[in-house]
Amino acid sequence: DAKTTQPNSMESNEEEPVHLPCNHSTISGTDYIHWYRQLPSQGPEYVIHGLTSNVNNRMASLAIAEDRKSSTLILHRATLRDAAVYYCILSGGWGDKLIFGTGTRLQVFP
Amino acid sequence: DAGVIQSPRHEVTEMGQEVTLRCKPISGHDYLFWYRQTMMRGLELLIYFNNNVPIDDSGMPEDRFSAKMPNASFSTLKIQPSEPRDSAVYFCASSLGGPQETQYFGPGTRLLVL
Repeated sequence: DAKTTQPNSMESNEEEPVHLPCNHSTISGTDYIHWYRQLPSQGPEYVIHGLTSNVNNRMASLAIAEDRKSSTLILHRATLRDAAVYYCILSGGWGDKLIFGTGTRLQVFP
Repeated sequence: DAGVIQSPRHEVTEMGQEVTLRCKPISGHDYLFWYRQTMMRGLELLIYFNNNVPIDDSGMPEDRFSAKMPNASFSTLKIQPSEPRDSAVYFCASSLGGPQETQYFGPGTRLLVL
């Protein structure tokens, strides 16, 4: 399974943008990049995913490097509710299980 | 849409007792997953089903663990006999397509084995 590397923790102030990095230097051509987050005492929830092009949805944006060896999850204006552990996961296609690593713990300060 | 429903939310039991965790997936989802989360090992996939049939149980730790899905709207994860090292949060998730598709997680069952 292709691996991802994320910082253990990051901090942000409320209403500021947050850029959460993920390195995946061994990504293959068919690997999708998924982001999930886990709020305290809750199950993980889907945030966004992409293959090659940058993606936007109501929660966040995903910026994928041209060589696809890294990606960045962008929260445009952090809120206190965004404090969570963010997981960057690669999935190679049909039947490929999601392998959750240790993720990045994001703290948001008022 | 009620989302994935798990019960009980909390379970405290003594070593050696049987524990049964329950899950109701989102209606229409063909895939159901059981995960376990601990501080030491993080979030691990135990087993997943497609159309009520177990597809991959390679993550099931040992024979004390068993999972069933008798119909499309119900699954159980059973531990018999339970041990203190089974203490963890157990999550159920479901998806429309395979494991690579977006998974929707339940709130989890926090299990403490004394």
